[in-house]
Amino acid sequence: ETGVTQTPRHLVMGMTNKKSLKCEQHLGHNAMYWYKQSAKKPLELMFVYNFKEQTENNSVPSRFSPECPNSSHLFLHLHTLQPEDSALYLCASSQGLAGGPSTDTQYFGPGTRLTVL
Amino acid sequence: GQNIDQPTEMTATEGAIVQINCTYQTSGFNGLFWYQQHAGEAPTFLSYNVLDGLEEKGRFSSFLSRSKGYSYLLLKELQMKDSASYLCAVRDSNYQLIWGAGTKLIIKP
Repeated sequence: ETGVTQTPRHLVMGMTNKKSLKCEQHLGHNAMYWYKQSAKKPLELMFVYNFKEQTENNSVPSRFSPECPNSSHLFLHLHTLQPEDSALYLCASSQGLAGGPSTDTQYFGPGTRLTVL
Repeated sequence: GQNIDQPTEMTATEGAIVQINCTYQTSGFNGLFWYQQHAGEAPTFLSYNVLDGLEEKGRFSSFLSRSKGYSYLLLKELQMKDSASYLCAVRDSNYQLIWGAGTKLIIKP
């Protein structure tokens, strides 16, 4: 596998379910990101991890819980979601956070299309 | 507040040239990115500008004017596979990426 992979690609869940999204990067990067992408809206940054440490949490509801066990893996644990949480969830990675373009360019996974019923 | 504006949708003809504009108002500026996203796929990096001027990369070019808070992506010799959304993103003074909503480009034969 190369690049950034995400599983599952599609997920349908009820509001009382608990599920997890998984992201894995095979690029040797140190920073990983979770984004939410809704139709016709800008990408919303949810969480940022750098060297496994969370550096950003953009006022995301607690029903979204990230986990970063190592620099290659990132999870997003979901529980008691709302229908408005239905969206494409994208994972990305970059070599660094605040260097030049070669380190900060983000590489994205294909996303998980989440539907909350 | 911080804001990135780009047209919602554009249509162009195969073989032609199209220019996608992006204007921004951010707290500080540390570079501007353009990404391409095909429907149902991951955004992929196209270009990066931090200094004023034109950066050319094959059929794609990106221009930046920091004084005007303006950039454009120029696509030449359009092909059907260029049908996609094009995302503009600006890195602010905190090195956080601020994203536009994207421009959906439709290429017609």
